[in-house]
Amino acid sequence: EAGVAQSPRYKIIEKRQSVAFWCNPISGHATLYWYQQILGQGPKLLIQFQNNGVVDDSQLPKDRFSAERLKGVDSTLKIQPAKLEDSAVYLCASSLDTGPSSGNTIYFGEGSWLTVV
Amino acid sequence: AQSVTQLGSHVSVSEGALVLLRCNYSSSVPPYLFWYVQYPNQGLQLLLKYTSAATLVKGINGFEAEFKKSETSFHLTKPSAHMSDAAEYFCAVSVPAGGFKTIFGAGTRLFVKA
Repeated sequence: EAGVAQSPRYKIIEKRQSVAFWCNPISGHATLYWYQQILGQGPKLLIQFQNNGVVDDSQLPKDRFSAERLKGVDSTLKIQPAKLEDSAVYLCASSLDTGPSSGNTIYFGEGSWLTVV
Repeated sequence: AQSVTQLGSHVSVSEGALVLLRCNYSSSVPPYLFWYVQYPNQGLQLLLKYTSAATLVKGINGFEAEFKKSETSFHLTKPSAHMSDAAEYFCAVSVPAGGFKTIFGAGTRLFVKA
């Protein structure tokens, strides 16, 4: 079974530029997540989709970050304009959500490393 | 609201020694609990999970964790550390909330000395 695919793996941009990350979740997974992981910290949820709809985007800085999940499959996360503090790993993840007994295991991609200079 | 606290940002053990990584949680509803491992330049990989069945959960690579409701803890252990266990470990709590809401701890980096 193919895992969560992300691209690009690495990106270096100047502040005030824009960047976009792409994610393709595991086939059949209804829920897709974007997490931000700053060096030395745990993943912080930016946005959670259930199929096409947004379940939680309470920690997404909406003045500069946007995300969409067209047709309930793959997703893009965009940052515009980027700030120095956006330097982090952006992790895409997905889960099947078959009910409480499944325990909602989240499967992660390898991450997209962003450096803003 | 739920939260996760991992005690100790860094833990160092000798090869062959016991590994103990501590995790405490808070949750207003019965939670699901997870341990993930992250190797350098990789995403997070599931080690084990607790889903209200057995309180002692066995995972991959010889790790196990015990759910203790009275102590609100879910500590991760391994009897004998191996060099390949050196990585970052994250505890996470998940509760049903319009889908599932999952919160991760800050992580504990495990160093294994030869």
